[in-house]
Amino acid sequence: EDQVTQSPEALRLQEGESSSLNCSYTVSGLRGLFWYRQDPGKGPEFLFTLYSAGEEKEKERLKATLTKKESFLHITAPKPEDSATYLCAVVDSGGSNYKLTFGKGTLLTVNP
Amino acid sequence: GAGVSQSPRYKVAKRGQDVALRCDPISGHVSLFWYQQALGQGPEFLTYFQNEAQLDKSGLPSDRFFAERPEGSVSTLKIQRTQQEDSAVYLCASSLGGGNTDTQYFGPGTRLTVL
Repeated sequence: EDQVTQSPEALRLQEGESSSLNCSYTVSGLRGLFWYRQDPGKGPEFLFTLYSAGEEKEKERLKATLTKKESFLHITAPKPEDSATYLCAVVDSGGSNYKLTFGKGTLLTVNP
Repeated sequence: GAGVSQSPRYKVAKRGQDVALRCDPISGHVSLFWYQQALGQGPEFLTYFQNEAQLDKSGLPSDRFFAERPEGSVSTLKIQRTQQEDSAVYLCASSLGGGNTDTQYFGPGTRLTVL
C-alpha cells in the first residue's frame, strides 16, 4: 500500500527565515510526485511535479527536490503570503497511473 | 480561463437525507476525479471518470455513494441516506488527458456537514 508521510505537521517561521518541508514516500514504483498548496477554505493549488530522483524545480521562493525515498520543498526567505498547508502526493506506477495518494500536509505559518 | 467549479460550496444535511454535489470541470478536460478530505487530513481518492466512463470507483466508501458524468462534462456525486461520518470536504479535480500523471486541477470543494 502506498504511503506518504509529511513532516513536520506544523512549522512556524519568521519572515525571511528559510526552511524545508519533508515528504517521504513508499511506492512500488514512482510515476510522479506532486506538491500542492492549500489555503483555508480552498482546493489544492498545483505547484510542481517531479518524476525522477535528482530532479529539481523552482518557482519564486519555492524549490522542490526529489530522491528515491523523499522529496523536499525548500522555502527561501518566506513571506507571510506563503502561509498555507503544503500537500505532497504520489502516483504509483504499480497501480493506476492517475490516482493521487496524499500525505496529511504541513501547515506553514510565516509571521511578519 | 475558468477553473474547476463546484456547487454548492456548503451543504448542511440532516442524517438520512440524500445530497447531490456538482462539479464543472475545466472545459475540454477528459479526466475527472472526486476526492474526500476530512478535517486535518489530505484528500483521499473516491472515483475517476474518463469522459463519461467511470473507470475506477474503488475509493467510494459504501454503496450509498454514487457518481455520474453522463455527457462527459459535468459530474454529480450523490450520497444517499447521509451519515455523520460523511461530513467532509468533497473535492473535484480535472485533468486534460486520460491519465499518465497529467496535472490534476482542483475545485474549491463542497463542505458537507451532516447533523
